Amino acid sequence: GAVVSQHPSWVICKSGTSVKIECRSLDFQATTMFWYRQFPKQSLMLMATSNEGSKATYEQGVEKDKFLINHASLTLSTLTVTSAHPEDSSFYICSAHWGSNYGYTFGSGTRLTVV
Amino acid sequence: AQTVTQSQPEMSVQEAETVTLSCTYDTSENNYYLFWYKQPPSRQMILVIRQEAYKQQNATENRFSVNFQKAAKSFSLKISDSQLGDTAMYFCAFMSSNNNDMRFGAGTRLTVKP
Repeated sequence: GAVVSQHPSWVICKSGTSVKIECRSLDFQATTMFWYRQFPKQSLMLMATSNEGSKATYEQGVEKDKFLINHASLTLSTLTVTSAHPEDSSFYICSAHWGSNYGYTFGSGTRLTVV
Repeated sequence: AQTVTQSQPEMSVQEAETVTLSCTYDTSENNYYLFWYKQPPSRQMILVIRQEAYKQQNATENRFSVNFQKAAKSFSLKISDSQLGDTAMYFCAFMSSNNNDMRFGAGTRLTVKP
């Protein structure tokens, strides 16, 4: 149980275009989802907290207009990288919190390459 | 803000031996959760072990155990009988009981040698 599906697993896009990444909880309702970014050989950095039905909370230094987060339902959160640039190339991982504080499941990640 | 520090960027161990990965953290909270995650080359985050701060007993999961020292804010991971499949990045993580977001250390790259 507690599976989080993240799509796509990898994507290549041209500079200036937008890319949407989906994070879906398959067998539970996730009132809160989290988006992380991981650069090569580095740790996971929290970008934002996505709350169902309300605006996302962004970490300091993360551009909310560039990284649009939508959490319209209890099972789906999306991250849209708008006007992507090569420096946005990274590994993006979502996670969902469920049930008690033990419940924390990660998606499989999305490798974004902007050319 | 909470910070998590892993001071060992890389470690290696011989197969079947025991290795300990270090982690310290800083927080003013009394109730929180600590985790060790394994990230293999696939980059999927795999939960290794978790510890509730209010529990004094150290968590154990088969070959994996922790040494949780709350006063010292230390949370080390011991891997016994290391296996080749244990080769991966290991991240220590802190989760506040207030907001449930997870903060990670910089990671330790563990290599198990045959």
